[in-house]
Amino acid sequence: EAQVTQNPRYLITVTGKKLTVTCSQNMNHEYMSWYRQDPGLGLRQIYYSMNVEVTDKGDVPEGYKVSRKEKRNFPLILESPSPNQTSLYFCASSLFRGPSGNQPQHFGDGTRLSIL
Amino acid sequence: AQKITQTQPGMFVQEKEAVTLDCTYDTSDQSYGLFWYKQPSSGEMIFLIYQGSYDEQNATEGRYSLNFQKARKSANLVISASQLGDSAMYFCAMREVTGNQFYFGTGTSLTVIP
Repeated sequence: EAQVTQNPRYLITVTGKKLTVTCSQNMNHEYMSWYRQDPGLGLRQIYYSMNVEVTDKGDVPEGYKVSRKEKRNFPLILESPSPNQTSLYFCASSLFRGPSGNQPQHFGDGTRLSIL
Repeated sequence: AQKITQTQPGMFVQEKEAVTLDCTYDTSDQSYGLFWYKQPSSGEMIFLIYQGSYDEQNATEGRYSLNFQKARKSANLVISASQLGDSAMYFCAMREVTGNQFYFGTGTSLTVIP
């Protein structure tokens, strides 16, 4: 089954304790991305990756790191989490090529992070 | 400036009626794609429909259609014959072909009333 898998689904942690949210896709997609969703703000892109070893900042990259060492995996790293990073996080993937950017993103089920 | 604007935080519609969810976008690119996603209360993001900037006809997918008015930079989602299961958050999104970012609006919460 084609899917984007995120882990963990839920995490409660404390300020300053490094954490990693994993994301894996089995569709051989070039493009992968991380979003955070906050009430009233919609989804905002944190980082994205066009292919292995190619990443770039989205609109809200501060406090986050990513890496793309393999095509299927795109982990999100919070080196020193703070309470303002409490949010619902989504990983997504899509094919990169296509006219008019017509490749819809496939989303994981989301990770709800609470940082105390 | 906001790339995607959804001005209706909440909407109500009677079951079996049609409803239009508004979306306007801001881009100077000639080539771009517009997307609508549905997020039910369970939280997953479901892709509904896509419109390319060069598509001459409005996109349709079952009960969903996209009213694309390029000159006005609007891409409204029309849901016909609303069903109770259509109650959800709806997000409009855009990707500019010259860039690689996706931009989402703040969403519209749709409630279908029996």
